[in-house]
Amino acid sequence: DAEITQSPRHKITETGRQVTLACHQTWNHNNMFWYRQDLGHGLRLIHYSYGVQDTNKGEVSDGYSVSRSNTEDLPLTLESAASSQTSVYFCASGSRNTGELFFGEGSRLTVL
Amino acid sequence: AQTVTQSQPEMSVQEAETVTLSCTYDTSESDYYLFWYKQPPSRQMILVIRQEAYKQQNATENRFSVNFQKAAKSFSLKISDSQLGDAAMYFCAYPGGVDNFNKFYFGSGTKLNVKP
Repeated sequence: DAEITQSPRHKITETGRQVTLACHQTWNHNNMFWYRQDLGHGLRLIHYSYGVQDTNKGEVSDGYSVSRSNTEDLPLTLESAASSQTSVYFCASGSRNTGELFFGEGSRLTVL
Repeated sequence: AQTVTQSQPEMSVQEAETVTLSCTYDTSESDYYLFWYKQPPSRQMILVIRQEAYKQQNATENRFSVNFQKAAKSFSLKISDSQLGDAAMYFCAYPGGVDNFNKFYFGSGTKLNVKP
């Protein structure tokens, strides 16, 4: 079965360190997204990609970057982690046929 | 800007009863989708139901149905015969018009408690 996987599922890091969260999907979707989830805010869009070599900023992109070198992967990098980036991060990929988003299981990041 | 508003941070329902979760959204588009997602304590995001704006008929999936009022930009979720497994956070989501494909905007969520 097709799926979308994130790693690591849990990570603790220190302020100022670089962190990369991996996302891999086997749906063969062109559209991929990174969201962060914080209490009281629902899910907010960080970055998204509509295909290989395409990346776009979402509403909360400061301090984050992504790259898309193939269809399956969209890694999210925090260049210099800050305590404000402590959150749960969700990767998702989207079906153009149904409009539905398929989500990974989330990565909980704690920045001390 | 596209916005999605869920005005009920938390709701409770007795097992086997019916509950309705509210959602309003803002858009200037005429053709779009709307979704409800469920997030149980496992944190997994699960699609509950989808509505296509051009369809006048309200979507239904087993015990879940929607009341879609396009002119009022309202999209509520009704859960009938509530079960303990329905306890979760529920998010209303609007992916923008067809040109903003999949670029979802989420409400802040409604936490549903189900009492035995």
